[in-house]
Amino acid sequence: GENVEQHPSTLSVQEGDSAVIKCTYSDSASNYFPWYKQELGKRPQLIIDIRSNVGEKKDQRIAVTLNKTAKHFSLHITETQPEDSAVYFCAASMRYNFNKFYFGSGTKLNVKP
Amino acid sequence: DAGVIQSPRHEVTEMGQEVTLRCKPISGHDYLFWYRQTMMRGLELLIYFNNNVPIDDSGMPEDRFSAKMPNASFSTLKIQPSEPRDSAVYFCASSSRASRSNQPQHFGDGTRLSIL
Repeated sequence: GENVEQHPSTLSVQEGDSAVIKCTYSDSASNYFPWYKQELGKRPQLIIDIRSNVGEKKDQRIAVTLNKTAKHFSLHITETQPEDSAVYFCAASMRYNFNKFYFGSGTKLNVKP
Repeated sequence: DAGVIQSPRHEVTEMGQEVTLRCKPISGHDYLFWYRQTMMRGLELLIYFNNNVPIDDSGMPEDRFSAKMPNASFSTLKIQPSEPRDSAVYFCASSSRASRSNQPQHFGDGTRLSIL
């Protein structure tokens, strides 16, 4: 099956700086890559996703890039704010596997005011 | 839409007792997933259903765990007998496969389970 690795496990940035979280996947059949944000004690919530026919997608301060050749995708958060502090999970899903997601191990982002 | 609804939100019980967690997926979604989240193991997929049929239960830890989906709007995850190592947050998620392409999974608020 698919294997998703996520780095770093923890990330601390100053408010206003940018944050980048990287994920790699192993199966070239993966074609859908969502990112989830989980605040303490809350449920994971989708913040952005990208499909394999697109190289980059932006939504205000967040963006995701995908490199299919290298099998990696990244989450970029610009102008970070304290409310961005949370655990972020990447995931990969294959076209033939019934919407099953393979999640990364998570990145705990701390934005210092 | 109310989103994915899970109950109870918190459950504290003694080891050996039966525990039943409940989930109502988003109306119209034909996939339902049960996850377990712990600090040590992160998010683990336990089992998922498509059109009420279990597709993959390879993540179910052992025979003490069972899951059912009797209809499109209800699923249960049962642990019998429960053990302290089952303590975790259990999430239910649902999704659809619109246009034959994968879609986001939407998570419920989870059940925080503590086995004493």
